[in-house]
Amino acid sequence: SQQGEEDPQALSIQEGENATMNCSYKTSINNLQWYRQNSGRGLVHLILIRSNEREKHSGRLRVTLDTSKKSSSLLITASRAADTASYFCATDRKAAGNKLTFGGGTRVLVKP
Amino acid sequence: DTEVTQTPKHLVMGMTNKKSLKCEQHMGHRAMYWYKQKAKKPPELMFVYSYEKLSINESVPSRFSPECPNSSLLNLHLHALQPEDSALYLCASSRGYGEDTEAFFGQGTRLTVV
Repeated sequence: SQQGEEDPQALSIQEGENATMNCSYKTSINNLQWYRQNSGRGLVHLILIRSNEREKHSGRLRVTLDTSKKSSSLLITASRAADTASYFCATDRKAAGNKLTFGGGTRVLVKP
Repeated sequence: DTEVTQTPKHLVMGMTNKKSLKCEQHMGHRAMYWYKQKAKKPPELMFVYSYEKLSINESVPSRFSPECPNSSLLNLHLHALQPEDSALYLCASSRGYGEDTEAFFGQGTRLTVV
């Protein structure tokens, strides 16, 4: 079963705009991770945020975590055509034996 | 070397065939994983190996048989698959199972069962 649910399921923006996607989860987590997948190939790890952290930045990426609301958001600033991909959140829960469980994903299309 | 290498990239097999998927990493990671991903769906965990021992089997049918010959290699042996088993099979590794770190994924094997 999926721990994380993401919205929107799909997002279409112009190059240069910001893209925001959200992830909600149901039970306590150790950490929450975001991954990118291009065209059905391998997943690339973007950022990991631990349960005691509220915000992290990596380049044009900003991730927030609100454990009281059991939600996270990923913001991509100044998007580029190369950012076109599917983005997945994944939660690492001790209660689930530290299994990494993926959300449904957001498909992002950045139009040049 | 921060790569997880999967072979083959594509595989077409009949329902009576036996084939194997291979995965290799040289990052010294002690946890390795098999995931299955259907089109437009998230990856679903199949197996976890920790220190070369099978830690988790997510109730995967026995027609999928994992093997971890050593700390760098992970195989998935396939036998008598069904057309619904067609999917992208992803291998991943991490520093250790249960550790607070990210997973590194291979590019996947796209499997078609005919």
